[in-house]
This record gives sequence, C-alpha cells and structure tokens, in this order.
Amino acid sequence: GAVVSQHPSRVICKSGTSVKIECRSLDFQATTMFWYRQFPKQSLMLMATSNEGSKATYEQGVEKDKFLINHASLTLSTLTVTSAHPEDSSFYICSARGPPETQYFGPGTRLLVL
Amino acid sequence: KNQVEQSPQSLIILEGKNCTLQCNYTVSPFSNLRWYKQDTGRGPVSLTIMTFSENTKSNGRYTATLDADTKQSSLHITASQLSDSASYICVVSSRIGANNLFFGTGTRLTVIP
Repeated sequence: GAVVSQHPSRVICKSGTSVKIECRSLDFQATTMFWYRQFPKQSLMLMATSNEGSKATYEQGVEKDKFLINHASLTLSTLTVTSAHPEDSSFYICSARGPPETQYFGPGTRLLVL
Repeated sequence: KNQVEQSPQSLIILEGKNCTLQCNYTVSPFSNLRWYKQDTGRGPVSLTIMTFSENTKSNGRYTATLDADTKQSSLHITASQLSDSASYICVVSSRIGANNLFFGTGTRLTVIP
C-alpha cells in the first residue's frame, strides 16, 4: 500500500526555538496533505490542510504564523513550529490522500519542548 | 453537526477472545467509513474501508460491518492476539468539503495473556 513517511520521528528542543517536521508521500503524488496534532489519549485534531503550490488552509484556532506549512512539491509538505513552547509538545501526524481514495497517515513525530 | 462516537472507550480482553467495537456517526452526506489501528506512538494504519453499499468487509481477523440506515458500524476482532493491543479509530468521510474526515475518539484495546 501507499506509504507516508515523517522525519524526524521524535525531537526535543528548547523553548523559543523552531522545529521543522517533514512529511513525504513515498510512492504516490499528493496535491493535498493534512497535518494533525494528537494529545495523549485523545483523537487526532486537524490543524491545517496543505495544498501543493498554494497557501495552507488552517483550522479555527490554529495560528498560521506559529505553524508554518510549506507544500513545495507533490511529495513533500513541511510543518515548522516556530518559537516553540512547552504547550506545543504533542504528537504531530501528517496524512495524504492516496489510491484508492484512502487517507494514509505518517508514523508521527513526537515533539517535546523543554 | 457531523460527529463520530465510539464505544467502549477502553476494553481489556484475554488473549484468544473475541471482541466487538462500536461506532455511531451522524456525518452527512456519507461517503465512506474507515477503521484504523493506531499503536502507541505511531500513526494510524487503515484496516478496512466501507462505502454506502457495503455491509461487511473482512481483513484477516478483523471484520467490519456497516448499517448505513442506522449509521452504525462495528469492528469485530477474532481470536485476539497481544499485538492487537492498540487504539482503534473510526473515521467517517463526508462527500463534501476539502478535508471531509470526521474522527472518533477511539477505543483503547488491551489484550492480556
């Protein structure tokens, strides 16, 4: 089946620094990718929709200046958490819609901000 | 309002036993329903996808059912194994909207020896 990868799988950073997370669709092209955040024992919460070649669409309550999304190609989307704070610590998951009309999720990135 | 509710919230069963997880939804217009398995610290992995016309679909020891009239789905796990311990998430897709997925909160299954 289709594969979506994320890098890094986990990252620890100091408060105030920025962290970039990559999401790649390895064997299919995705014009649209999605970024989710998941807190412990909770379901995935959609943060934004990443559109190749255009601006991302953010969900209500998600700061676009804090969570920068770049969908540079049909196989790569990046999420940059700028000026990270401890409350940004979470599990970030991306997904891409691949054949046959199934949402494929990446393995997730665990972010810990100290 | 589009919602997906799952029950039970958590479940503990003995290895080798069967179990059934439930999903009720109000998503409309309905497109399809997926069950995902999410291991701790990992991304969700698709188990089954069901469209409006499908009532039952199996994937190994996993069997999903769908009643589009009552807007209910179930995931039955047969002869559970320790590796089945995970969260099982029901995701319902609407036919409208750019990101048209609605997530249930999941059922946390623990299989004990």
